[in-house]
Amino acid sequence: DTGVSQDPRHKITKRGQNVTFRCDPISEHNRLYWYRQTLGQGPEFLTYFQNEAQLEKSRLLSDRFSAERPKGSFSTLEIQRTEQGDSAMYLCASSSRGTGGNYGYTFGSGTRLTVV
Amino acid sequence: DQQVKQNSPSLSVQEGRISILNCDYTNSMFDYFLWYKKYPAEGPTFLISISSIKDKNEDGRFTVFLNKSAKHLSLHIVPSQPGDSAVYFCAASAGNQFYFGTGTSLTVIP
Repeated sequence: DTGVSQDPRHKITKRGQNVTFRCDPISEHNRLYWYRQTLGQGPEFLTYFQNEAQLEKSRLLSDRFSAERPKGSFSTLEIQRTEQGDSAMYLCASSSRGTGGNYGYTFGSGTRLTVV
Repeated sequence: DQQVKQNSPSLSVQEGRISILNCDYTNSMFDYFLWYKKYPAEGPTFLISISSIKDKNEDGRFTVFLNKSAKHLSLHIVPSQPGDSAVYFCAASAGNQFYFGTGTSLTVIP
C-alpha cells in the first residue's frame, strides 16, 4: 500500500485521558502535515514537518498537543488531558514538491476522536 | 476569520450536465489553489490544482478556473457522473499550509 496510513481509525476516550495517534506517510514524501476537521468545517492546519524538523505550528495546537516525527518517517500526535472540544477528525497528509510546482497533499483516512 | 469561503453548502446536478463549484478567497498572497473531493469515512482526495500564474487548468472532466482580480476559483465537472457525488473542498496556500473552505456537497442525480 503506497497511501498515507493512520492508526487508529476511531478512538473513544474519557475526558482527561491522553491519546496518541500515528501517521505513516508515503515513503518518498519528506513533508508531513497534521490537520483537524470538525463537523461542517474544512480541515484546519495544526502542524508541519519537513523530514524530522517541525517547521510550523498553528496556534490551534495548544500546550496539550504535541507532535513528533523522530526519524523523518512516521509521525505521532499526542493529546494530553483530552477535553470534549478535542473531538474531531485528525487528518495526516504528506507531500513532496513535484516539477513545475504542481503538487498536492495525499491525505490519510483520518482518526476520528470522540471524547466523552 | 475564514480566508477561503465556499458559500454553497450543497449542489444538485443531473447526470451528464455541468457541475460548477465556486470558491472565494480573501488573501491576495495565496499563490496555489487545490480542489479536494471527500467521500464519507475517507480522507480528502486531491483532485486538481492551479497556481496563480495560470487562469485555467484542465484534467479530463475537471477544469479549474482562477480569477485573481475577483479572488475567485471555480471547479467545472463535465459531464457530471453519479460517482462524482461527494463533498468538494477548495484550498489555498501562500506557504506550507493550506486554508480550506467549508466544502460543497455535490449530488449528481442519475
